[in-house]
Amino acid sequence: AQSVTQLDSHVSVSEGTPVLLRCNYSSSYSPSLFWYVQHPNKGLQLLLKYTSAATLVKGINGFEAEFKKSETSFHLTKPSAHMSDAAEYFCVVNLNAGNMLTFGGGTRLMVKP
Amino acid sequence: EAQVTQNPRYLITVTGKKLTVTCSQNMNHEYMSWYRQDPGLGLRQIYYSMNVEVTDKGDVPEGYKVSRKEKRNFPLILESPSPNQTSLYFCASSSLAGLSYNEQFFGPGTRLTVL
Repeated sequence: AQSVTQLDSHVSVSEGTPVLLRCNYSSSYSPSLFWYVQHPNKGLQLLLKYTSAATLVKGINGFEAEFKKSETSFHLTKPSAHMSDAAEYFCVVNLNAGNMLTFGGGTRLMVKP
Repeated sequence: EAQVTQNPRYLITVTGKKLTVTCSQNMNHEYMSWYRQDPGLGLRQIYYSMNVEVTDKGDVPEGYKVSRKEKRNFPLILESPSPNQTSLYFCASSSLAGLSYNEQFFGPGTRLTVL
């Protein structure tokens, strides 16, 4: 069985400060991992994905995530938050044996001016 | 433009009145899927399809039906909707080339309210 836990349901940062959104997963197989972002009243957009190549993955809009197998973590970071980053973020795992996605519960990021 | 479209975007209905939410993709993707999104639960998969005439249950299939008669379309059918099916629904599609590595493309969502 696979599962994904996003450790914070809400994160609040000031504009210009670093962002850290935490994600832990459990999987019996080597996973593919994704971060998706959902802006208010919008669909989901892929931020980045890990597919067993480099452990540090760079995505769109300055986001990156590091895959740490020993810690079963895939935390999302950004050096400097922008107001437009305010959204809900989902950590997602995909078994290599299929195309089913398992979503974390989501982290709502708020950015204060 | 490559996209997944869903209709309607918003729907308010009453208990027991059959409804269909349509989903269409123009990327020639083999894989299509339906999810529901509820606060604090992320997205949960309802049904998925690996190709035409091939469908299977996801995590929460009760109360839903699907069909895949054409590659581009994957409608979600609620034969007798109930209030606990009030939710935000997303359709997604992806290519099966490279299997799990491929991005799933999501539609804009359908907000359903069952009174």
